Amino acid sequence: GQQVMQIPQYQHVQEGEDFTTYCNSSTTLSNIQWYKQRPGGHPVFLIQLVKSGEVKKQKRLTFQFGEAKKNSSLHITATQTTDVGTYFCALATSGTYKYIFGTGTRLKVLA
Amino acid sequence: GAVVSQHPSWVICKSGTSVKIECRSLDFQATTMFWYRQFPKQSLMLMATSNEGSKATYEQGVEKDKFLINHASLTLSTLTVTSAHPEDSSFYICSARVGIGTEAFFGQGTRLTVV
Repeated sequence: GQQVMQIPQYQHVQEGEDFTTYCNSSTTLSNIQWYKQRPGGHPVFLIQLVKSGEVKKQKRLTFQFGEAKKNSSLHITATQTTDVGTYFCALATSGTYKYIFGTGTRLKVLA
Repeated sequence: GAVVSQHPSWVICKSGTSVKIECRSLDFQATTMFWYRQFPKQSLMLMATSNEGSKATYEQGVEKDKFLINHASLTLSTLTVTSAHPEDSSFYICSARVGIGTEAFFGQGTRLTVV
């Protein structure tokens, strides 16, 4: 099936350091969603971005949608051990109702 | 948020048997549900889109005769893995949306082990 690349694949950070994951698409997107999956759990919705250049914040998390609507990023400021998990972007292209998940970035936070 | 219940959460079956997994939207109606497969430490691969009252739409490379999907009502979709083999062992997750472009709510997932 189709997949979308996320970078990096893995990231180990010390608690308190920042973390960023990037999601890139070759096609223009209708919207993009971000999910977090804890080890052993199922994906949980974080946010949806729709507008070109959109920036949304949730406490220490900042989400950006590129101007061309082809890429997005998730930035976590001052990571905590509770941020551990895999972060996935999910992309929807215009005219479709299904979402294709990115390859994911697995974050490990060292106390 | 809305709740999606998936059952069973884990199942072990013998090679050659069939296994049915249920996905229910408990507090909303879902005309469309999605079935994903996830291998350890990998992403979610969309298998098929389940449409209430009509045939499922399968992604390229997914065998429709092996992974039977039935969306009998607005709150229930089932995935049946027929004649299971060890290579079918995986984590299967369903999701549902209230409408187009809205967030997806995921079931807890089903870990299938075929021995």
